[in-house]
Amino acid sequence: GEDVEQSLFLSVREGDSSVINCTYTDSSSTYLYWYKQEPGAGLQLLTYIFSNMDMKQDQRLTVLLNKKDKHLSLRIADTQTGDSAIYFCAEKRGYSSASKIIFGSGTRLSIRP
Amino acid sequence: DVKVTQSSRYLVKRTGEKVFLECVQDMDHENMFWYRQDPGLGLRLIYFSYDVKMKEKGDIPEGYSVSREKKERFSLILESASTNQTSMYLCASSPGKGIYGYTFGSGTRLTVV
Repeated sequence: GEDVEQSLFLSVREGDSSVINCTYTDSSSTYLYWYKQEPGAGLQLLTYIFSNMDMKQDQRLTVLLNKKDKHLSLRIADTQTGDSAIYFCAEKRGYSSASKIIFGSGTRLSIRP
Repeated sequence: DVKVTQSSRYLVKRTGEKVFLECVQDMDHENMFWYRQDPGLGLRLIYFSYDVKMKEKGDIPEGYSVSREKKERFSLILESASTNQTSMYLCASSPGKGIYGYTFGSGTRLTVV
């Protein structure tokens, strides 16, 4: 299909790990991104991964990429209340300056005590 | 850091009014975008521009137009506002090529009454 797909909601206990999953569409996508949107704000780039990588770690964040299945995941270790937000998966198709980024619908992460 | 500034955080307009949403970026980015964000629908691309005076329709251009007279400024125009255009509007910019994702503004929440 044409869409980048994510589940709409995820609820985790504070201190646990959160895993947000995404299925993207284009096997030739060059870069894949995770954006975070806090309430009432715009989207902020959280992390990204090149399509020729299969893992990237950045402090509490781990991104896993399975190119064969076109599956991207974001793991947040030791989830805190400040991690409550909507997380968007996105893919960039192509290398040219006209290449667009396609966004998923976003996963709302809520933290319970 | 790149800054994308949207002129208003909140706006209330009457049905039938002409509405201008302004967006300014300060890093000489080639590409600029307008999205609307609605619950459960994610981000939907309205219009984008790859250069001054250039514009391209996105996925939902009906009822909207845009203007890009200067590189740093991209305006979204609602010719005759309707209640179904009540939404969060997000502007973004990017340099285009390479890994760079989009930088988003904080958003304008528009209510049409």
